[in-house]
Amino acid sequence: VQLQESGPGLVKPSDTLSLTCTVSGDSMTTYYWTWIRQPPGKGLEYIGYIYSSGTSYGNPSLQSRVSMSVDTSKSQFSLSLTSLTAADTATYYCAGGEEATGYFDFWGPGILVTVSS
Amino acid sequence: SYVLAQPPSVSVAPGKTANITCGGDNIVSRSVHWYKQRPGQAPLVVIYSDSARPSGIPERLSGSNSGDTATLTISRVEAGDEADYYCQVWDTHTDQVVFGGGTKLTVL
Repeated sequence: VQLQESGPGLVKPSDTLSLTCTVSGDSMTTYYWTWIRQPPGKGLEYIGYIYSSGTSYGNPSLQSRVSMSVDTSKSQFSLSLTSLTAADTATYYCAGGEEATGYFDFWGPGILVTVSS
Repeated sequence: SYVLAQPPSVSVAPGKTANITCGGDNIVSRSVHWYKQRPGQAPLVVIYSDSARPSGIPERLSGSNSGDTATLTISRVEAGDEADYYCQVWDTHTDQVVFGGGTKLTVL
């Protein structure tokens, strides 16, 4: 399974970030899909995950600003993050794993998103 | 929320053994996964479900989990092992993914 993130590299404060992850190599069903970010020089932060059914769960610290969706017909899942600030500057990774395993064994290369006016 | 604690850094000489710990309340009741991340690259799972190795991961890497501490052990450390290592669990009580803060392994 291969993943590839796409979206803008530069967004303005207070705007909404929209990212898409395209999945290839296998069907999206039986897997769960996640978004994880990493601010420059810092550790990994879980954003949320979504099942191919569309059920999603977000990190409580971000949940009010996060929404996720999945389109299995396009083999894509997406992230929307609202009310951006400089603190949201990070490399955003999409990742996936087999349901119920609890870990993620395939990852996209990541996309650096900078929040700046 | 569940918290995982890792030492910020571990240093080891080539050929020696590195132990990277991941502390959490009764972590033995959870399944722990470990990722290796080299600069500019996405994380790669190196140990899953406490001690299982994905295909392609050398036997020099092993994992254990007991009490409040899970440990990633790297034997016969090589220069290529230098990276950041993260532990991760799935908190079934909250249905949330939790990462440790990461440990930078330096090969002297």
